Amino acid sequence: NAGVTQTPKFQVLKTGQSMTLQCAQDMNHEYMSWYRQDPGMGLRLIHYSVGAGITDQGEVPNGYNVSRSTTEDFPLRLLSAAPSQTSVYFCASQGQSSTQYFGPGTRLLVL
Amino acid sequence: EDQVTQSPEALRLQEGESSSLNCSYTVSGLRGLFWYRQDPGKGPEFLFTLYSAGEEKEKERLKATLTKKESFLHITAPKPEDSATYLCAVYRAGSYQLTFGKGTKLSVIP
Repeated sequence: NAGVTQTPKFQVLKTGQSMTLQCAQDMNHEYMSWYRQDPGMGLRLIHYSVGAGITDQGEVPNGYNVSRSTTEDFPLRLLSAAPSQTSVYFCASQGQSSTQYFGPGTRLLVL
Repeated sequence: EDQVTQSPEALRLQEGESSSLNCSYTVSGLRGLFWYRQDPGKGPEFLFTLYSAGEEKEKERLKATLTKKESFLHITAPKPEDSATYLCAVYRAGSYQLTFGKGTKLSVIP
């Protein structure tokens, strides 16, 4: 099993550009989530999904969209990137236990 | 509102010098407390889950304990490869959200 995979590993955007961060898991987990990690702030939840077709907002959802069409994939969309969205983004998945497993992260720089 | 406070922010130890990291939490209805290890440029790696006060879990040189207000991560005779940031998080009953602390950066000097 590859676990949780994320692409790309690193991305540079200009203000106003859009992009999609990809996340996939091969563990058949129903729950998936997106976090951002900023220096001095810790990990903060952006959006999460408890199953295909079901998504909800976390602590910091503004500027981000998500959808969940399959169990395996949970993409995060930035519609109009802002410098405040410069961060490291982590995707996580969770099965029947309450343990969340994290991907390797995507480092995003918005100029 | 759930809160997780980790201390110290940073800790430098000599190789073999045992110590403890602290995680204080406030949560209504604890469903689980989690410890993760994060290496630079990597995602958090799961270490332990603790569910109730008095519970203890061990893995190699690490031992996690839980009370009703805090958790400790004890590191016995650490090695340089234990250097990392250790994250604590809580899961509230009825919620799908993990609340993380800001982490403790551990450096073990040979």
